[in-house]
Amino acid sequence: KQEVTQIPAALSVPEGENLVLNCSFTDSAIYNLQWFRQDPGKGLTSLLLIQSSQREQTSGRLNASLDKSSGRSTLYIAASQPGDSATYLCAVPSNAGGTSYGKLTFGQGTILTVHP
Amino acid sequence: NAGVTQTPKFRILKIGQSMTLQCTQDMNHNYMYWYRQDPGMGLKLIYYSVGAGITDKGEVPNGYNVSRSTTEDFPLRLELAAPSQTSVYFCASSPWGTDTGELFFGEGSRLTVL
Repeated sequence: KQEVTQIPAALSVPEGENLVLNCSFTDSAIYNLQWFRQDPGKGLTSLLLIQSSQREQTSGRLNASLDKSSGRSTLYIAASQPGDSATYLCAVPSNAGGTSYGKLTFGQGTILTVHP
Repeated sequence: NAGVTQTPKFRILKIGQSMTLQCTQDMNHNYMYWYRQDPGMGLKLIYYSVGAGITDKGEVPNGYNVSRSTTEDFPLRLELAAPSQTSVYFCASSPWGTDTGELFFGEGSRLTVL
């Protein structure tokens, strides 16, 4: 059974700092990994989707890397801003190595607070 | 575009009552999902559907039922509500449902069972 763990559970940083969020998964035979953002009281918004053939994916100040062999992914946020404050979740297909029909297994999330 | 719409946004139920959470998407996606999120936890899959008329159980289906009579709608039924079903429920849809697809989420329905 696929399990996903995110470290740290919470992170508080001053504005402008570069930061790294970590995600690990137990079964490395995944097709992709997604990072989501969740604002308080809102749904999830997909930030980045990394295919298994890729090692990283970039969108603006966000960069996500994937190391399948070690079962890890990192989300790097450059020059953090107060507007980046949210919960960040990573997720992988539930049936690693098989067809998941889009079913995902989520980590518990990292709560990020960026203070001015 | 509306995307994925969930109703109601908030609901309080008494133990033993029943209700239906509504989910509608206007993107013509075949794949739809119901997840629940408990405080400090990630999302857990309740049920999913790969097309109209086809549904299957996820990780935590007990106490819930679903139907998928149209591509657009995927309601989640709670029978005999229990305090353990207090949670935030998210509906999501996907254009391909394969392992390369992106998920689109609704804003959630917060349910409290007292």
